[in-house]
Amino acid sequence: GAVVSQHPSRVICKSGTSVKIECRSLDFQATTMFWYRQFPKQSLMLMATSNEGSKATYEQGVEKDKFLINHASLTLSTLTVTSAHPEDSSFYICSARETGTGSSGANVLTFGAGSRLTVL
Amino acid sequence: AQSVSQHNHHVILSEAASLELGCNYSYGGTVNLFWYVQYPGQHLQLLLKYFSGDPLVKGIKGFEAEFIKSKFSFNLRKPSVQWSDTAEYFCAVNVAGAGNTPLVFGKGTRLSVIA
Repeated sequence: GAVVSQHPSRVICKSGTSVKIECRSLDFQATTMFWYRQFPKQSLMLMATSNEGSKATYEQGVEKDKFLINHASLTLSTLTVTSAHPEDSSFYICSARETGTGSSGANVLTFGAGSRLTVL
Repeated sequence: AQSVSQHNHHVILSEAASLELGCNYSYGGTVNLFWYVQYPGQHLQLLLKYFSGDPLVKGIKGFEAEFIKSKFSFNLRKPSVQWSDTAEYFCAVNVAGAGNTPLVFGKGTRLSVIA
């Protein structure tokens, strides 16, 4: 089945530094990937929709200059948390849907294992 | 915009008890419906999905869910839970027929199954 890999799974950084999280579709191509953020004991909140070859679409309230998304190829999207602060500590999850599997939105998203960011 | 409501934050059951987790969504159009499970320390996995057709859908590990359009509900059920079903369960929806639409998740229900 489709597999989405995220790296790193855990990262600890100092306040003010930038952290890059990679999301790769291992055995399929994805023109669109979604980035979610999950706070402890809460649901997944959509941060942005990453589109291959174009700018990401950010949800209301998500700072695009803070959370830089680059979708450079059909198998890789990156999320960079710039000038991270302790309040950015969270669990970041990406998901992807295989390209060319229909336009109904009915196809299943495959999720990565998530990346836990801790900012000291 | 669509939204998803899961009624129970934490459910505790004994093994072999029956399970029903509530999920209601808010959206005026046609949606696709999903239940995902997140076992401790693991990533989200799809349990089952509804796109169209028979409103009673069966998923993996003995789970099923019923779509009741008039109630905007998609409750998850299992007749007899096991200790290994301890996990966080998320209901999610996206808009049908709208291309690459993201999933909107409920807040999740934590299920604890005790021996």
